[in-house]
Amino acid sequence: DAKTTQPNSMESNEEEPVHLPCNHSTISGTDYIHWYRQLPSQGPEYVIHGLTSNVNNRMASLAIAEDRKSSTLILHRATLRDAAVYYCILSGGNKLVFGAGTILRVKS
Amino acid sequence: DAGVTQSPTHLIKTRGQQVTLRCSPKSGHDTVSWYQQALGQGPQFIFQYYEEEERQRGNFPDRFSGHQFPNYSSELNVNALLLGDSALYLCASSFFARGGNTDTQYFGPGTRLTVL
Repeated sequence: DAKTTQPNSMESNEEEPVHLPCNHSTISGTDYIHWYRQLPSQGPEYVIHGLTSNVNNRMASLAIAEDRKSSTLILHRATLRDAAVYYCILSGGNKLVFGAGTILRVKS
Repeated sequence: DAGVTQSPTHLIKTRGQQVTLRCSPKSGHDTVSWYQQALGQGPQFIFQYYEEEERQRGNFPDRFSGHQFPNYSSELNVNALLLGDSALYLCASSFFARGGNTDTQYFGPGTRLTVL
């Protein structure tokens, strides 16, 4: 399984953008990049995914490097409800392989 | 539309006992995956069921087994419980991914299992 590397934790101020980085230097050509987040006492929640091009949805944006060896999840305006563990996951089949993720703290 | 539901919410067992956890997928989904999440760690894939068969399995011993019913609901069974089996057990449902991508998985709230 291809491996991802994320910072253990990050901190942001409320109403400011947040850029969550992920390195995946061993990504294969068919691996998709998924982001999930897990709020306290809840199951993981899908955020966004992409293959090669940058992606936007109502929750976030995903910026993928041209060589695909890294990606960045962008939360445009962090709120207190965005405080969670964010997981960057590579998948090429039917299972998700989670790492330790990044703990995002949002300050008011 | 009900999302993924799991029962029970919490469970306490003793070493050596057996446990069954249940999961009902999101309406319309045909695939159920199970994950184990130890405290402070990311979820670890146990196995996935589609068309009532185990399609893929993670690195878990045979003490972990499962079943999928014709209505797509699923059970996770763990025999001969060990203290290390204490964890949050998560169920996720999706459409079966026939191509290269993993379909979006929708997770339930989990069952917290404590083994004493």
